[in-house]
Amino acid sequence: EDKVVQSPLSLVVHEGDTVTLNCSYEVTNFRSLLWYKQEKKAPTFLFMLTSSGIEKKSGRLSSILDKKELSSILNITATQTGDSAIYLCAVEAGGTSYGKLTFGQGTILTVHP
Amino acid sequence: GAGVSQSPRYKVAKRGQDVALRCDPISGHVSLFWYQQALGQGPEFLTYFQNEAQLDKSGLPSDRFFAERPEGSVSTLKIQRTQQEDSAVYLCASSRGTGDEKLFFGSGTQLSVL
Repeated sequence: EDKVVQSPLSLVVHEGDTVTLNCSYEVTNFRSLLWYKQEKKAPTFLFMLTSSGIEKKSGRLSSILDKKELSSILNITATQTGDSAIYLCAVEAGGTSYGKLTFGQGTILTVHP
Repeated sequence: GAGVSQSPRYKVAKRGQDVALRCDPISGHVSLFWYQQALGQGPEFLTYFQNEAQLDKSGLPSDRFFAERPEGSVSTLKIQRTQQEDSAVYLCASSRGTGDEKLFFGSGTQLSVL
């Protein structure tokens, strides 16, 4: 059974801090790893990492996939209060329906002013 | 539409009642997914449609759960004889279905079974 574990489960920082969120996974026939940001209810897409794209960056956010260690990190630099959210990591297995994701429990990030 | 739309936003049901949750995907999106998110947990896959065909329903927790998408657009998730353990946020997501795994999620329906 596919499994995703995220750490820490929660994190409290101050504006301007840099944070690193961790995701480790076990999946049969890895296809991709995705990061989502969940504010209130709707998760919004951040990054997708695959064997051919192991590093992504967008503004203050960046993510790296380590296929050897079966893990990924999400970095946020110069955090802002608007970064407060739940960050979800998910994996997709080959041989399954596209979009059938296994999610981790999420990391709750709180950024104080 | 501009995004995935779900209704109702909140639903309170008495144990044993039947409920129906609606999802309007992004216009033109072929693939549609239902996920269940319990409090403090990540979303869990329930079922997947490609157009009107339900290609995967392996995540439906029991035969009380039923989903349909008769015309390949709007989808309904029905839960019969609701139980307290059905209380969760039900998220709908859609994608273009071209092998693009970027799912666009709706804001969900929060179901509380009393």
